Amino acid sequence: GNSVTQMEGPVTLSEEAFLTINCTYTATGYPSLFWYVQYPGEGLQLLLKATKADDKGSNKGFEATYRKETTSFHLEKGSVQVSDSAVYFCALTGGATNKLIFGTGTLLAVQP
Amino acid sequence: NAGVTQTPKFQVLKTGQSMTLQCAQDMNHEYMSWYRQDPGMGLRLIHYSVGAGITDQGEVPNGYNVSRSTTEDFPLRLLSAAPSQTSVYFCASSFSGTGAGYTFGSGTRLTVV
Repeated sequence: GNSVTQMEGPVTLSEEAFLTINCTYTATGYPSLFWYVQYPGEGLQLLLKATKADDKGSNKGFEATYRKETTSFHLEKGSVQVSDSAVYFCALTGGATNKLIFGTGTLLAVQP
Repeated sequence: NAGVTQTPKFQVLKTGQSMTLQCAQDMNHEYMSWYRQDPGMGLRLIHYSVGAGITDQGEVPNGYNVSRSTTEDFPLRLLSAAPSQTSVYFCASSFSGTGAGYTFGSGTRLTVV
């Protein structure tokens, strides 16, 4: 079945550092790929998405490119802020049921 | 638009009690899902629905029932609560079609003692 693997955290960075959170997937067909963010004590928010190969999703300075040849969707940001501290989830949907399947999440802590 | 509304926000149950977690959306979304979130395990799919009258099991369905009598509502029933069901529960909904993305409720924090 479909699955998502993302790097384990926590990831601890200083403010203005470069961020990469790795995400790879296993899926049949052509899944859509997502990054969700969960701030402390809150629910999940859609951060960005890509629906076909080579698409780049972007939002709030975050980017991720759908790489079908490496089955990856890595999240990047050039300069993180303390306010980016959160848990980041990579996820995919695919097939007729449109089930959303998550990775285990990566905790990002940004220090001033 | 209220989006996805979950009630209650917090609940404490005794082992063996039953209860229903409510979920309602006002966006006319066809797809609805229930997840539980546990530390270190991400979000795991409990049950999902692709439309009114149609439901199916996810990864961790044991101990939970669902029904979907209307497009708007997708309640999750705990039949006989167990401490292993202590978790944060999220409901989510989506349009049909690839890439629509899901909208999440704010969650229900359930403790079973």
